Amino acid sequence: DSGVTQTPKHLITATGQRVTLRCSPRSGDLSVYWYQQSLDQGLQFLIQYYNGEERAKGNILERFSAQQFPDLHSELNLSSLELGDSALYFCASSVDDSNYQPQHFGDGTRLSIL
Amino acid sequence: AQKITQTQPGMFVQEKEAVTLDCTYDTSDPSYGLFWYKQPSSGEMIFLIYQGSYDQQNATEGRYSLNFQKARKSANLVISASQLGDSAMYFCAMRDPSSNYKLTFGKGTLLTVNP
Repeated sequence: DSGVTQTPKHLITATGQRVTLRCSPRSGDLSVYWYQQSLDQGLQFLIQYYNGEERAKGNILERFSAQQFPDLHSELNLSSLELGDSALYFCASSVDDSNYQPQHFGDGTRLSIL
Repeated sequence: AQKITQTQPGMFVQEKEAVTLDCTYDTSDPSYGLFWYKQPSSGEMIFLIYQGSYDQQNATEGRYSLNFQKARKSANLVISASQLGDSAMYFCAMRDPSSNYKLTFGKGTLLTVNP
């Protein structure tokens, strides 16, 4: 158990819909990261928050947004969903955002778009 | 150029034998971190081991060790005494300033441990 909690574990929805993925980081971790894993793209970094502020952006679509709340939990919002958004979405957390801190991953949310 | 290269899409090993999973990386930053993760078929990502660019010794964590050759820019994972439960996808990853500190993953190596 990594200590990172992601909900829900599975999500099935239709094209055009909007979903929210939730992440609670490990106790004491200030940094939260979101990743997307798909068969064709592999593991792609989406976005990072550190202590409530956006720290880095990766290959995140404009239809996607995220935030980190004062209690440090984070949400990833995906809107106008397309078939290609079907993927495993991971949240990870680390103590800080230095090179030397490992990121601990949650079990992921498997999103299926029908 | 790819930042992380894992040249072995799949590897097979007999139970109780050792196996080496290859990883080469590309960065011009002197300060970086290298990580290995395991992803079983159930999907979760499990952190295994970390090596810092300034670390003088190779990292070890139980049956996992990292063969770090800085001049060759390689960070191979060695699993000793393989177990059936080691069958999984293994990802090498790097974090460096030029990537804005994001974790960049290789494409992974699928390890199968045979009884």
